[in-house]
Amino acid sequence: TQLLEQSPQFLSIQEGENLTVYCNSSSVFSSLQWYRQEPGEGPVLLVTVVTGGEVKKLKRLTFQFGDARKDSSLHITAAQPGDTGLYLCAGIYNFNKFYFGSGTKLNVKP
Amino acid sequence: ETGVTQTPRHLVMGMTNKKSLKCEQHLGHNAMYWYKQSAKKPLELMFVYSLEERVENNSVPSRFSPECPNSSHLFLHLHTLQPEDSALYLCASSHDSGGNEKLFFGSGTQLSVL
Repeated sequence: TQLLEQSPQFLSIQEGENLTVYCNSSSVFSSLQWYRQEPGEGPVLLVTVVTGGEVKKLKRLTFQFGDARKDSSLHITAAQPGDTGLYLCAGIYNFNKFYFGSGTKLNVKP
Repeated sequence: ETGVTQTPRHLVMGMTNKKSLKCEQHLGHNAMYWYKQSAKKPLELMFVYSLEERVENNSVPSRFSPECPNSSHLFLHLHTLQPEDSALYLCASSHDSGGNEKLFFGSGTQLSVL
């Protein structure tokens, strides 16, 4: 049983389009993180959300943590080819137990 | 450059070979992790070391043997692996402070078992 479900699994869009990816679970987390992984590299942390309902913005990326701290979304405005990569969400228990979703593979075409 | 270095980047081994993966972090962190990343599956946590003591072992087969000689180095010793063990093995580190930790990953070792 997968603890974290990410959707969609794959997304291919044109440069300039908007998109949203989702991370859902039946479990409550102390916090949730989003990472981006480029081919041949390890994941790199983008953001941590801690409070239910929290919204964080990182340039064109907007992250939201669900009110019940079970789910999260990542919205990208005006996607660029440099946004291409695998987006992973990670739910955190007890501050240092990380559980990852299987990821959303995003391809932004020029 | 994340401050976490893994070697080798690529490894091909037969089922009867013995090899080791190495990870080194230059961030002053006190926790280190091994993850396995297979296609279309979530990252699987294998082992966690905090202050050089193993604190997590997620039912990993004994053909994988971790070693953490100090807080900067982590090894994964491999022997008699199976083809289904082929995957990207990622090392990560964090500062285990009892707060919301952040994982810093290395670039991984792409392992192929023939």
